Order: sequence, then structure tokens, then C-alpha cells
Amino acid sequence: DVKVTQSSRYLVKRTGEKVFLECVQDMDHENMFWYRQDPGLGLRLIYFSYDVKMKEKGDIPEGYSVSREKKERFSLILESASTNQTSMYLCASSFSKINEKLFFGSGTQLSVL
Amino acid sequence: QKEVEQDPGPLSVPEGAIVSLNCTYSNSAFQYFMWYRQYSRKGPELLMYTYSSGNKEDGRFTAQVDKSSKYISLFIRDSQPSDSATYLCAMRSLGSGGYQKVTFGIGTKLQVIP
Repeated sequence: DVKVTQSSRYLVKRTGEKVFLECVQDMDHENMFWYRQDPGLGLRLIYFSYDVKMKEKGDIPEGYSVSREKKERFSLILESASTNQTSMYLCASSFSKINEKLFFGSGTQLSVL
Repeated sequence: QKEVEQDPGPLSVPEGAIVSLNCTYSNSAFQYFMWYRQYSRKGPELLMYTYSSGNKEDGRFTAQVDKSSKYISLFIRDSQPSDSATYLCAMRSLGSGGYQKVTFGIGTKLQVIP
């Protein structure tokens, strides 16, 4: 089975800190995604990547950036964390662009104080 | 108006009940419909998917799509406490080439009481 691993389960950061969220998948998937999940708002796409060193903005990219230096690893970066970025962050991967099946990690609950 | 509408619940049912979970959508381009299940403190996992209108069965689960009404449902027969989770509908269009964005509902929280 595909495994998508997120490096931290819980993170607490201060306003203004630079935050790195790491995600690794072990099935050689082309596509990787970062979502945030908030009560009442559901899953919202932040950024995604088709291939190494490629990235595309999702629906809510403001305040975030990403890095994909290796196929299996996709990092989400909060350049200067703010309290409205407190959320559950979910990484996902899929085999092809048509996204017939997304595989999700267990999520990182980020609190920005 | 959101592209996908889903009642967040919570929905509480006794063990053994038939559960009906529903979503409506507004985008006629959506052709591929999915249901994800998310247990507490876990990521979503794909439960079922279907391309066409009508019913698709998988064990105790039935996915139903009515494209004319833009309405999809997930039925759970003989519900079990282990079915307690949040169920998210998801859908996308069937374009050729390029990235196919998946749009999610907000999820319905289901609790099955023993």
C-alpha cells in the first residue's frame, strides 16, 4: 500500500516564525498536493506539483510556498506564520493527473500562537 | 454558492441502521464522483468512486449518482460502530490531459451508536 508520511503530527509555532511541513510518499507518484482542512470549510487546495521542481498554485496559495527537490518529497513552507494559518494540513499524492485516487497522510495539526 | 454542498451533521444512528449521506453539486462538468472516509486524527481514504449515473455496490456500501438532479448519495447498510467517521464527497470533471482538480464537500460526521 501507498504510504504518505508527514513529519509531524502536532506543531506549535509563534507568529512570524518560518515553518516547514514535510511530506514523503513511497510509491513513485508523480503528483503531490498540500491541503488545509478547517471546520465548516472542508479541504482546500494550497499548492500541488506534477513533477520534480514544478509547482502550481491551488485555491488558497497566499502566505505559503512549496518545494519539490525530489520526486518523493514535497514541502510546504509558511514564510511568516500567522494565527489564521492555524489548521490541519494534509499532504496527498496520486499516480496520474486525472487523480483517480488521492492518498493522504495523517495530517499535521499546526497551531500558531 | 459552493460548487459542492454537503450537510456537516453530526448524524447519529443506532447500530444496524441504514445510513444515507448526500451531496449536491452545481457544476455540470463533474463526471467522476468519489466518497472518502476520514477517521478521527487520520487523513481521508478513498471508499468508493463512480463515473456514471445509477448505483454501484461494494459490500455494505452503495454509491448512487443522479446527474439530472446533480445529487449523489452514499448508503451504508447494517451500520457498525466502526463506520463512525466523517464522510467526504468529492468530484471532478473528465477532461483530456492536464490537471483534473478534485472538489470536496465539507464532510458529514457520522456516529453509529452500539
